[in-house]
Amino acid sequence: SQTIHQWPATLVQPVGSPLSLECTVEGTSNPNLYWYRQAAGRGLQLLFYSVGIGQISSEVPQNLSASRPQDRQFILSSKKLLLSDSGFYLCAWSGQRFYEQYFGPGTRLTVT
Amino acid sequence: AQKVTQAQTEISVVEKEDVTLDCVYETRDTTYYLFWYKQPPSGELVFLIRRNSFDEQNEISGRYSWNFQKSTSSFNFTITASQVVDSAVYFCALSLMDTGRRALTFGSGTRLQVQP
Repeated sequence: SQTIHQWPATLVQPVGSPLSLECTVEGTSNPNLYWYRQAAGRGLQLLFYSVGIGQISSEVPQNLSASRPQDRQFILSSKKLLLSDSGFYLCAWSGQRFYEQYFGPGTRLTVT
Repeated sequence: AQKVTQAQTEISVVEKEDVTLDCVYETRDTTYYLFWYKQPPSGELVFLIRRNSFDEQNEISGRYSWNFQKSTSSFNFTITASQVVDSAVYFCALSLMDTGRRALTFGSGTRLQVQP
């Protein structure tokens, strides 16, 4: 069966510090991968998606970036965090046949 | 562009009551998928159901049922005999049947509180 991991689970970072969140998927190959952000009490906003290694599409202009160095690894980064980057970050994957996405446990990021 | 509206921000019911969560969507495309997800307090989104735009048959799974009506662009979710464990935020989402992006457009969610 497929599983998706995210780490860290929680993170408190000062403004201006760098960020690296990691997501890995097991039990499937060539998945589509997604990064979403959920602000407190709000819906999910798609940040990035990837259909293959090295292929990243950005949905929202911001100071975040994403990379996919391996087929089942997706990384969200920032060189300098802003207060507005605080939120709950969710990674998701979908297969090639069906459109539903399966989500990881998420990372709660607080920028202070 | 697509849009999903969940007008009910928060619903509170007493255990064993039936409750319906509303979802209205907008899209110019004729081929799409609709989804419901559950987000319990732990935060992880749990996939509940996918329906495609060709199939308006209602679906029942245990205490859960879904009513899809293209004529009103709605995809409502009913929980029968609600339980405390049903307390969560529920999201409706839409995805176009494109071959690449497959991104989900989410509604803002409905928080359901089931009181014992």
